Amino acid sequence: EIVLTQSPGTLSLSPGERATLSCRASQSISNSYLAWYQQKLGQAPRLLIYGASTRATGIPDRFSGSGSGTDFTLTISRLEPEDFAVYYCQQYGGSPPVTFGQGTRLE
Amino acid sequence: QVQLVESGGGLVKPGGSLRLSCAASGFTFSDHYMSWIRQAPGKGLEWVSHISQTGSAVYYADSVKGRFTISRDNAKNSLYLQMNSLTAEDTAVYYCARGKLRFEYWGQGTLGTVSS
Repeated sequence: EIVLTQSPGTLSLSPGERATLSCRASQSISNSYLAWYQQKLGQAPRLLIYGASTRATGIPDRFSGSGSGTDFTLTISRLEPEDFAVYYCQQYGGSPPVTFGQGTRLE
Repeated sequence: QVQLVESGGGLVKPGGSLRLSCAASGFTFSDHYMSWIRQAPGKGLEWVSHISQTGSAVYYADSVKGRFTISRDNAKNSLYLQMNSLTAEDTAVYYCARGKLRFEYWGQGTLGTVSS
């Protein structure tokens, strides 16, 4: 099973700052099948990035994803107040077919 | 627009059963894999199961294999999750989502609580 470890657990920043979130896989993820989601309190997750670096429909360009193999990064270039939330990475290139990281809280 | 609306959650005793439903609209339901994903209170996301467009292919997480059954009715644009032999560890918000491997559309979730 591919285990995803996200760091840091909590990231404390201010609006306007740059956020860098990390997701490390226990084994290489084929074809960069790595996605990122944002979840606000009481809401369903929202897909931000898939294929490690492709923004989903309607996602602002301040969100970007990068990485390959076992190391992936989500970057938010300039934080807006609405960006403070929990972020999850998810792999979909292994077995079991889908696993999630434990999340990073951006506060 | 795409809408997914879950229902069927509630309080059940350990060892009991729940059947969750997800009503889909705004897209051609029979064209898409569908999935169930859950989130225990205050915890992260856990993929549970997915089902192919015709229902001929299903896959389960090890944690629910043998206890949960996913199914769908394309005529009713509906997805189901039959959950048996429930334990406290199954307490979670259960989301249905469109897709097999990545999930652009999610429902609002339905809470299933297993407690005596």
